[in-house]
Amino acid sequence: KAGVTQTPRYLIKTRGQQVTLSCSPISGHRSVSWYQQTPGQGLQFLFEYFSETQRNKGNFPGRFSGRQFSNSRSEMNVSTLELGDSALYLCASSPRTGNGYTFGSGTRLTVV
Amino acid sequence: KQEVTQIPAALSVPEGENLVLNCSFTDSAIYNLQWFRQDPGKGLTSLLLIQSSQREQTSGRLNASLDKSSGRSTLYIAASQPGDSATYLCAVGQGGSEKLVFGKGTKLTVNP
Repeated sequence: KAGVTQTPRYLIKTRGQQVTLSCSPISGHRSVSWYQQTPGQGLQFLFEYFSETQRNKGNFPGRFSGRQFSNSRSEMNVSTLELGDSALYLCASSPRTGNGYTFGSGTRLTVV
Repeated sequence: KQEVTQIPAALSVPEGENLVLNCSFTDSAIYNLQWFRQDPGKGLTSLLLIQSSQREQTSGRLNASLDKSSGRSTLYIAASQPGDSATYLCAVGQGGSEKLVFGKGTKLTVNP
C-alpha cells in the first residue's frame, strides 16, 4: 500500500516568486492536511481539506492557499515568497476523523 | 487555545536503558493523541494512536499512556537501541477539528 507522496522533495525559490507543492494521499483517504515545520516554531497547522472542501485553516497569511481535487490529491500554493517561508512542508492524510494521520516525507522549500 | 509541552527537550541514554518521554496538554477536551518519530530531515512516522476513551496503546517495545484528566501522556521505550535515536513528537487531536497541535518534541540519543 503506497504511503503519502509529496513532490517535489526539494525546492529552491527566489523571494517574490510563487511555488506549488503537491500531495497524493493514501488511496481511500479523503482528508488531507498541511503543516509547516521550522526550527523556531515547530510544526504548525496550515489547512485541512475533506472532499474538496477546506474545513479548517491555520493562522497563516492569505499568501498560503490550497485546494483538493476530486481524487483527493491536494496542492498548496505560496505566493510572493519570503525568506521566512523556508521550511519543511508536510502533508498528512487520514481516512476519517479520529483515525490518526499518516505523514509524507515532506517538501523542503528554501527561499533565497 | 491548546498548548502541548514535551519535556525534556533532549535526552541522551546508554543503549539498553528503559526510558519515558513526557507530553502534557492544557485542554483535556481532546479527540485523540498520537506519538510520532522524526528522523533528521525526514517526515513523521506514526508510532501510536490513543483515542480519548483509551488509557494506553502498545506496539512492540513502545507503550503510550493517556491521562486526560491530568492532561498527560507518556511514551515508554523499553530496552532502547541506537536505532531509536530520533526526535519524538506528541500531537493532540481536538474534537470537532482535524487540526493536530504538536509539541516541540524530545530529541533522543541512544549511545552504543
